[in-house]
Amino acid sequence: AQSVTQLGSHVSVSEGALVLLRCNYSSSVPPYLFWYVQYPNQGLQLLLKYTTGATLVKGINGFEAEFKKSETSFHLTKPSAHMSDAAEYFCAVSSNTGGFKTIFGAGTRLFVKA
Amino acid sequence: DVKVTQSSRYLVKRTGEKVFLECVQDMDHENMFWYRQDPGLGLRLIYFSYDVKMKEKGDIPEGYSVSREKKERFSLILESASTNQTSMYLCASQNFRGIEGSPLHFGNGTRLTVT
Repeated sequence: AQSVTQLGSHVSVSEGALVLLRCNYSSSVPPYLFWYVQYPNQGLQLLLKYTTGATLVKGINGFEAEFKKSETSFHLTKPSAHMSDAAEYFCAVSSNTGGFKTIFGAGTRLFVKA
Repeated sequence: DVKVTQSSRYLVKRTGEKVFLECVQDMDHENMFWYRQDPGLGLRLIYFSYDVKMKEKGDIPEGYSVSREKKERFSLILESASTNQTSMYLCASQNFRGIEGSPLHFGNGTRLTVT
């Protein structure tokens, strides 16, 4: 079975500071990993994904994530936070043998202080 | 750009009512999903469908059913609404034509309140 753990339900940073949102996964087969963002009153939209190949993945809005198999982690980072980054972020995992299922973490709400 | 449209943004229903949540996608995607989102629990899969008239139970199917009569439309049905089904419901579609790690495309959600 696959699972996702996001460390920290709330993260607060100052504008211009580094953003780090943590995600650890569990999977017995090679995983596909995703980060989605949800702005207020909207659905989720894809930030970035890892399938195969390069382990450092770049996404939209300056975000990136690194797949570390040895640590079973896929942490999301952004060098400099902007007020518009305030949202809820979800890490998710799926696989070719997962029967079309995508499993989501509980989410991390990011607050950005001026 | 993929568009997933959920028919209602907000719904208020009474306990015991039969409730229909509708979802339409315009990109000819094979797979469609219904999730519910609750604070602190993330998204939990209720049902999904990988073809017309096909459906599979997700992790929390109790109290729900689904219908997929056409490829573009996936309906979630609450047979007899209860207060513990008050939640945000998210529909998603996915292109699964052999593309590894296809992402989900979400609608804007339906916030259902059962009183």
